[in-house]
Amino acid sequence: GAVVSQHPSWVICKSGTSVKIECRSLDFQATTMFWYRQFPKQSLMLMATSNEGSKATYEQGVEKDKFLINHASLTLSTLTVTSAHPEDSSFYICSARASYPYGYTFGSGTRLTVV
Amino acid sequence: QKEVEQNSGPLSVPEGAIASLNCTYSDRGSQSFFWYRQYSGKSPELIMSIYSNGDKEDGRFTAQLNKASQYVSLLIRDSQPSDSATYLCAVNNPNSGYALNFGKGTSLLVTP
Repeated sequence: GAVVSQHPSWVICKSGTSVKIECRSLDFQATTMFWYRQFPKQSLMLMATSNEGSKATYEQGVEKDKFLINHASLTLSTLTVTSAHPEDSSFYICSARASYPYGYTFGSGTRLTVV
Repeated sequence: QKEVEQNSGPLSVPEGAIASLNCTYSDRGSQSFFWYRQYSGKSPELIMSIYSNGDKEDGRFTAQLNKASQYVSLLIRDSQPSDSATYLCAVNNPNSGYALNFGKGTSLLVTP
């Protein structure tokens, strides 16, 4: 089945630094990648949608200059949290939409802690 | 704002019983409906998808969809302690893009 590999699984960084999260589709071409954020005991909130080769579409309230998304190829999408602050600490999950019957495939998530 | 509503629970059922999880959605244009299971600290994993009105069964799981009532449910038969997790309902309206809209999830606890 379709697999999305997400790295790192967890990261601790200092306030003010940047962190890059990678999602790779291993056995299919992910034309669209979705990036979600999940705070404790909350649901997944869509941050942005990225299509290969074009600019990402950000949801209302998500700062595009802070959360940089690159989807340069059909198998790799990255999310960079720039100038991270403690309030950015969260669980970040990517999801790729693949052709039927795979549907939506989720990465394993990245636990970001900003200290 | 398109809403997906779930009772947060926790829903507690004894082992072997039927667990019933419910979800309502506000977007009448929704066409795809999914149930995901999420263990603490882990990514969601797909349990069931349903696209047409009626019931869809897969092993111990049955999804039920009623588009007129904007209601989708998940039944878990012969519940096991390993089923204890948060169950997320997700819907999609392709006319609004292909991203899934998630509910807040229902916490299920299956007691031995």
